[in-house]
Amino acid sequence: KAGVTQTPRYLIKTRGQQVTLSCSPISGHRSVSWYQQTPGQGLQFLFEYFSETQRNKGNFPGRFSGRQFSNSRSEMNVSTLELGDSALYLCASSLALTNTEAFFGQGTRLTVV
Amino acid sequence: DQQVKQNSPSLSVQEGRISILNCDYTNSMFDYFLWYKKYPAEGPTFLISISSIKDKNEDGRFTVFLNKSAKHLSLHIVPSQPGDSAVYFCAARYSGYALNFGKGTSLLVTP
Repeated sequence: KAGVTQTPRYLIKTRGQQVTLSCSPISGHRSVSWYQQTPGQGLQFLFEYFSETQRNKGNFPGRFSGRQFSNSRSEMNVSTLELGDSALYLCASSLALTNTEAFFGQGTRLTVV
Repeated sequence: DQQVKQNSPSLSVQEGRISILNCDYTNSMFDYFLWYKKYPAEGPTFLISISSIKDKNEDGRFTVFLNKSAKHLSLHIVPSQPGDSAVYFCAARYSGYALNFGKGTSLLVTP
């Protein structure tokens, strides 16, 4: 079965712009999480959605937002981009919020110039 | 506040030998632990997991050990192969909450 699909793979934006990233989870998975990876910081949790509701949120400013649709697809939006937002943004899907494995997409590499 | 810590940023091991990657955690509510492997420009790939009710889980060349009293887990790779060279992330979660990741350990397996 198809894995987690993230689009686009690469993106270059200018400071002050906004960006929307998309994630399609594995079929049947209802939980989608977003992570930011920067050098030396590991994977930092942004937020998690389950059944179209945000269930958990990490320690990121309000410029970072997301949503989940009825088909479990999720989008993440970053407004007023800053240079420090340049990172690999990873989406992960899992069956549920409880103890199950999360499966990652290949990520979207965002560069802010 | 880093609840999952991987204190060794890098590790180098000879092919055929054992690789031991370590991870410590601070939150005693964590009850599920996972290891992920990541190659550059790709998303992390799930490797192996362990529930807090167990102290060992084995899958082929990979074994994860959990010491709850010490809040410590480790991943053993035996024998190590050059294709195992990657960044390994330790992660932990408790029911209803998101995965917490360590910063990763870069493993290099030399021929």
